[in-house]
Amino acid sequence: EPEVTQTPSHQVTQMGQEVILRCVPISNHLYFYWYRQILGQKVEFLVSFYNNEISEKSEIFDDQFSVERPDGSNFTLKIRSTKLEDSAMYFCASRERTATYEQYFGPGTRLTVT
Amino acid sequence: RKEVEQDPGPFNVPEGATVAFNCTYSNSASQSFFWYRQDCRKEPKLLMSVYSSGNEDGRFTAQLNRASQYISLLIRDSKLSDSATYLCVVNEIYFGSGTKLNVKP
Repeated sequence: EPEVTQTPSHQVTQMGQEVILRCVPISNHLYFYWYRQILGQKVEFLVSFYNNEISEKSEIFDDQFSVERPDGSNFTLKIRSTKLEDSAMYFCASRERTATYEQYFGPGTRLTVT
Repeated sequence: RKEVEQDPGPFNVPEGATVAFNCTYSNSASQSFFWYRQDCRKEPKLLMSVYSSGNEDGRFTAQLNRASQYISLLIRDSKLSDSATYLCVVNEIYFGSGTKLNVKP
């Protein structure tokens, strides 16, 4: 069964450093998403991406964040200057171009900012 | 006001019990509704979409009440493996905080 993959599974970085989180969505999916979940809190939407551009973003997705689809398979989230409060699990998700809006999530990258 | 609200629980039930969760949403124009399940420190996994006519998948039944702006999930004959957090999702991207279910032997 096809699945969304994410790398790395765990990333430790120092405050102020840049990190890039990588995702490989399911191959025939056209919509891509990033979410974060701070430990013990709810899943929060960051950004959605379709047709090589951002289709929607939340208030959390400020200028320190960016997304890119550098080739036909990868989808990346860059955090430019990490803060302690960026420590969270980051999930990538994808879905087909259908009316059902059912998303499939990757296993997540746990980001720890020290 | 939160977009999506859920009772956090936990719901502690014995195996075989029937348990129901509700979720309310604030935007009356909402179009899509889902239940996801999340195990501890894992990714959310789609359990089922929720349609206006209601839908059933084995032991799981989901209902949508647009007039009252809530959706429900009913789990019959609970199994130990049903222990997880159940997430209500509205309009694709708005997640509730989840309702924790513990099924005890």
